[in-house]
Amino acid sequence: DAGVTQSPTHLIKTRGQQVTLRCSPKSGHDTVSWYQQALGQGPQFIFQYYEEEERQRGNFPDRFSGHQFPNYSSELNVNALLLGDSALYLCASSGDHWGPYEQYFGPGTRLTVT
Amino acid sequence: QKEVEQDPGPLSVPEGAIVSLNCTYSNSAFQYFMWYRQYSRKGPELLMYTYSSGNKEDGRFTAQVDKSSKYISLFIRDSQPSDSATYLCAMSAGGTYKYIFGTGTRLKVLA
Repeated sequence: DAGVTQSPTHLIKTRGQQVTLRCSPKSGHDTVSWYQQALGQGPQFIFQYYEEEERQRGNFPDRFSGHQFPNYSSELNVNALLLGDSALYLCASSGDHWGPYEQYFGPGTRLTVT
Repeated sequence: QKEVEQDPGPLSVPEGAIVSLNCTYSNSAFQYFMWYRQYSRKGPELLMYTYSSGNKEDGRFTAQVDKSSKYISLFIRDSQPSDSATYLCAMSAGGTYKYIFGTGTRLKVLA
C-alpha cells in the first residue's frame, strides 16, 4: 500500500520565480492538506482540498494556491517567491471528510529560495 | 501566546528510560489530538491519535489527554536509540479541518 508521495524531493528557485509542488495521497484517501514547515518549527496549515475544492485555508497570502485533480492528487503553487518561503512543504492525506481525522504525511519537498 | 506550547528540548535520556513528552494548549475547543515522530529532514510519522480525554496505548507508546488542564502527554516506555527524533503534538477543534502543531521536542536516547 503506497503511502503519501511528493515530488520533487528538493527544489532550488530564485526570488520572484514560481514553483509547483505535487502530492499523491495514500490509497483510499480523498482529502489533501498542505503544510509549510520552517526549520525548527512545527508545520503550519496552508489549505485543504476535498472534492477538487479548497475547503479551508490558513493564514497564507494569495501567492499560495492549489489544485486537486479527479484522482485526488494535488498541486501547491507558490508565485513571486520570497526568501522566507524557503521551507519543507508537506502534504498530508486523510480519508474521512466529516471533520478532523488522522492525517498521514508525505516525505516533503524541501524548497530553497535564493 | 501560542495556541499550542511545546518544550523544544533537547531531552536526553539513557536507553531503557521512560520518556514523558508534553504539550499545553489554550483553545478549549480542541478535541482531536495527535502525536507525530519526525526524523531529521523527513516527513512526520503519525504515532497516536486521540479523540477527547483519556488514555490510549499502542505498544511502547501511551497518549494521555487532560482537557480540564489543557495538557496532553506522550509516554515512551523502554526507550531505544531509534526513538531519537523530534516529537510533534498536533490538535484540532471540531468543525475545522486544520491541525495546530507544537514546535516539537527533540529527543535523544543514548545507548
